[in-house]
Amino acid sequence: SQQGEEDPQALSIQEGENATMNCSYKTSINNLQWYRQNSGRGLVHLILIRSNEREKHSGRLRVTLDTSKKSSSLLITASRAADTASYFCATQGEGNKLVFGAGTILRVKS
Amino acid sequence: EAQVTQNPRYLITVTGKKLTVTCSQNMNHEYMSWYRQDPGLGLRQIYYSMNVEVTDKGDVPEGYKVSRKEKRNFPLILESPSPNQTSLYFCASSFPGQPQHFGDGTRLSIL
Repeated sequence: SQQGEEDPQALSIQEGENATMNCSYKTSINNLQWYRQNSGRGLVHLILIRSNEREKHSGRLRVTLDTSKKSSSLLITASRAADTASYFCATQGEGNKLVFGAGTILRVKS
Repeated sequence: EAQVTQNPRYLITVTGKKLTVTCSQNMNHEYMSWYRQDPGLGLRQIYYSMNVEVTDKGDVPEGYKVSRKEKRNFPLILESPSPNQTSLYFCASSFPGQPQHFGDGTRLSIL
């Protein structure tokens, strides 16, 4: 079952611009995580935000969580060509299970 | 170096020929999981294991088997592969409630 739905499906921006990706989910969660996947490679964890947190930062990444709207956003500031990848949100409820969305493909043009 | 290692990375095989994809982690993680990734569908969980000798079905377990005899290993077994199991497979591991570490993936083609 797919819980997270990312929006947009694809995003193309110029280097230096900000990129915003959104994720919506359906059921209650313990935390929401964002992962990055370079083409054909494994996923790499970026950031985890717990259900009682509203915002979290890590370097150029900013994640927000609105549990009342069951939504999250990932902002990448001052994007670089190396940020080109697919980005996935994943929700975690009880029992450690992660449920992934279909992902957003980000292309940063230099 | 902390890592999740999958083998093989690529495999082309034929319908009905049993195959095993191995997964090993060196981080002493209790939790391990297998996913398949198909275009437009994200990652879907096949099977997971909370600890040694404890395994359970994920969302798409049909046609797959797993075992967890040792903490570090979690092989995925396709007893009689079919073309609809052609996919990109990922193994992941973690401590409970923590982010998961992923292997580099196994691209499986079943003709």
